[in-house]
Amino acid sequence: AQSVAQPEDQVNVAEGNPLTVKCTYSVSGNPYLFWYVQYPNRGLQFLLKYITGDNLVKGSYGFEAEFNKSQTSFHLKKPSALVSDSALYFCAVTNRDDKIIFGKGTRLHILP
Amino acid sequence: DSGVTQTPKHLITATGQRVTLRCSPRSGDLSVYWYQQSLDQGLQFLIQYYNGEERAKGNILERFSAQQFPDLHSELNLSSLELGDSALYFCASSTWTGTEAFFGQGTRLTVV
Repeated sequence: AQSVAQPEDQVNVAEGNPLTVKCTYSVSGNPYLFWYVQYPNRGLQFLLKYITGDNLVKGSYGFEAEFNKSQTSFHLKKPSALVSDSALYFCAVTNRDDKIIFGKGTRLHILP
Repeated sequence: DSGVTQTPKHLITATGQRVTLRCSPRSGDLSVYWYQQSLDQGLQFLIQYYNGEERAKGNILERFSAQQFPDLHSELNLSSLELGDSALYFCASSTWTGTEAFFGQGTRLTVV
């Protein structure tokens, strides 16, 4: 069965500092991995995906994520955080033939 | 705007009632997903349809049912509603299985 773990309920980062939001996954077969962001009272917005190829994928708003097969991780990163990055972030996984499963979400607070 | 349309945006109903939530996917998307988001449960996968057929099922209650019509829009039916069914219900669509899904704005259901 597929599963996604986001070990941190909340991450606090000072503006201008690098940020990392952690995600680990379990899936049979090759994983397709995604990051989404949710702002208050909004739906989820797609940020980036890993399907195959380069382990470092770049997405919207300056975010990137690193796929690590041996550690079954797909951590979200950004070199310099903005206050406007404060939101709820979800990691998700599928194996193409199955449903997309989401983690519980990590609330990111960027402190001015 | 993701291109996924959900109606209604808000719904208040009494316990024991039945409601129908509607979703129009992005143009050309064949796959539709339904998710429930509540404060303590995160984003829970309910059900997925692909080109009119049920593709995958999550922890969907027997009181809940869904279908995807020939024009690819989908409806989620919730019956015998309980207070605990109060949540945000999201619809998402994707081109096919295994690709990123795009989310609607959600329907906020309040059962009183």
